[in-house]
Amino acid sequence: GNSVTQMEGPVTLSEEAFLTINCTYTATGYPSLFWYVQYPGEGLQLLLKATKADDKGSNKGFEATYRKETTSFHLEKGSVQVSDSAVYFCALSGNTGNQFYFGTGTSLTVIP
Amino acid sequence: NAGVTQTPKFQVLKTGQSMTLQCAQDMNHEYMSWYRQDPGMGLRLIHYSVGAGITDQGEVPNGYNVSRSTTEDFPLRLLSAAPSQTSVYFCASSAGTIYGYTFGSGTRLTVV
Repeated sequence: GNSVTQMEGPVTLSEEAFLTINCTYTATGYPSLFWYVQYPGEGLQLLLKATKADDKGSNKGFEATYRKETTSFHLEKGSVQVSDSAVYFCALSGNTGNQFYFGTGTSLTVIP
Repeated sequence: NAGVTQTPKFQVLKTGQSMTLQCAQDMNHEYMSWYRQDPGMGLRLIHYSVGAGITDQGEVPNGYNVSRSTTEDFPLRLLSAAPSQTSVYFCASSAGTIYGYTFGSGTRLTVV
């Protein structure tokens, strides 16, 4: 079946530090992969996506590369800001049916 | 451009009461879903719909009903509220699995 595993949090970083949040997946076929961000008190927002192997999604300085060989989609940012403090969710959608599968979320706090 | 609109934003119910959480989208998306979000448990799928007149159960459907009479609306009904249904509820819609979800801002429900 389909599932997503992402690194446990919480993660605390100093401003301008490098960020990696690990995400691995299990899927049949060729899923699409996503990162969502949830700021306090808000709904989830799509941050970036990749729809096929070796694609790189990017947005707001965040990047993630769809690695089929390692079934991974790790989120990275070179220099985090306080405003990046949020919960980040990795997700996949299968290529059959219309279901999305979410990881449990990783809380990031960036301190000045 | 409203996206996905959820009402109400906050609600307190007494055990045994019923209520309907409203969800409407103006993007002509065929696919809509309801999730609940609980601390440490990520997002859990309650019910979903792949088009008007078609609904199906997700991971945690017990105690909830849905219907989809139009493309735009996908209400979630709590039949007899229980304290275990205290949660934040999110409605989401999608044009297809490669596009990702658009989420509403959520309904915070407390059952006392």
